[in-house]
Amino acid sequence: AAGVIQSPRHLIKEKRETATLKCYPIPRHDTVYWYQQGPGQDPQFLISFYEKMQSDKGSIPDRFSAQQFSDYHSELNMSSLELGDSALYFCASSLGGQGNYGYTFGSGTRLTVV
Amino acid sequence: QKEVEQDPGPLSVPEGAIVSLNCTYSNSAFQYFMWYRQYSRKGPELLMYTYSSGNKEDGRFTAQVDKSSKYISLFIRDSQPSDSATYLCAMTFYNQGGKLIFGQGTELSVKP
Repeated sequence: AAGVIQSPRHLIKEKRETATLKCYPIPRHDTVYWYQQGPGQDPQFLISFYEKMQSDKGSIPDRFSAQQFSDYHSELNMSSLELGDSALYFCASSLGGQGNYGYTFGSGTRLTVV
Repeated sequence: QKEVEQDPGPLSVPEGAIVSLNCTYSNSAFQYFMWYRQYSRKGPELLMYTYSSGNKEDGRFTAQVDKSSKYISLFIRDSQPSDSATYLCAMTFYNQGGKLIFGQGTELSVKP
């Protein structure tokens, strides 16, 4: 079965640079979630989209923005990168704007800021 | 204090042992409870979900929820070396968009 696809798998950026992470949800899924997981930390919710509209917002820095496109894929844009942004970024998808029964995560993008 | 607290471990058990993983939570509005397994540098993998107090069994795994005590557990029977991973509890609210609140994760090592 098709899973959540994230690209790139690894990304190395310098401080103050910009990064764009992409997420392709499971086919027919209309809801996307973004999480950030620092080393040895639990995943922290950043933002979610349902039917191309932002549905919830967590601890996402103002330097980050995201959107969901007409084909339901989503992009997380990160500007003025800081060393503390180095983390695993996961995307997940579900159907119907809810996650009551859990949802499927992608394999993540490992961002390293140097 | 975090909304969801999980025994951090690490936990090391011999193959075949019964493993008990536990989380407590403070917000009684949580209605749905999940357990995820995460291998190193991989995405979390959904193991089980439940929404009512009581036990739910799936193969070697049993999820237990006690809403009155705000306590959830995951039991793994006949543990295998392939079960070695970090286990994360997660929970969410009813029909509020699906944001998951995770525990800190318990690192489990099953020794052959």
